[in-house]
Amino acid sequence: NAGVMQNPRHLVRRRGQEARLRCSPMKGHSHVYWYRQLPEEGLKFMVYLQKENIIDESGMPKERFSAEFPKEGPSILRIQQVVRGDSAAYFCASSPRVWGDSPLHFGNGTRLTVT
Amino acid sequence: SQQGEEDPQALSIQEGENATMNCSYKTSINNLQWYRQNSGRGLVHLILIRSNEREKHSGRLRVTLDTSKKSSSLLITASRAADTASYFCALFNAGNMLTFGGGTRLMVKP
Repeated sequence: NAGVMQNPRHLVRRRGQEARLRCSPMKGHSHVYWYRQLPEEGLKFMVYLQKENIIDESGMPKERFSAEFPKEGPSILRIQQVVRGDSAAYFCASSPRVWGDSPLHFGNGTRLTVT
Repeated sequence: SQQGEEDPQALSIQEGENATMNCSYKTSINNLQWYRQNSGRGLVHLILIRSNEREKHSGRLRVTLDTSKKSSSLLITASRAADTASYFCALFNAGNMLTFGGGTRLMVKP
């Protein structure tokens, strides 16, 4: 039973390019969460999605960032026109039920470097 | 702020010793969760303790929760080098997101 799969593990983008991060939740999990982690810091919530719905995007920057979780396929976190400050590790997590009531299962993250 | 604050930020001990990490918070919670993160990896869930629980055990891990003091502690007994990692507490309050603290970096020396 595969865990949460994120790809790519490492992504290098030049300033102004687009970054697409993918996340496949654990089998049977319909709730997906994205977090961002800066070096030596904790995780900051970005967005919570269910299939085809954004439930809570209160942690997402208003510009350049978007997320989706289509009916088929992985969840995608998209960052347009990346800037150096976007360099971070982005983690996806999933759960079988609404969060808080059950633990989150995390992927190993995508490390984005903007040059 | 809804997030917990871990204390200490860093802890270095010898193998075999016990390690205690604390988490303090300011809001009411439904539950509090502890996670471990090895370098370069994702977080792994350790224990979830609900607001009406005071103590939970899992193997060498013991978690306590004192809602009157708004604090929790994670005790790792008989530590091993493999326990070297960062440990995070996460707070859940219904209607809000799961928020993580800044973590305690534990180093267990062989």
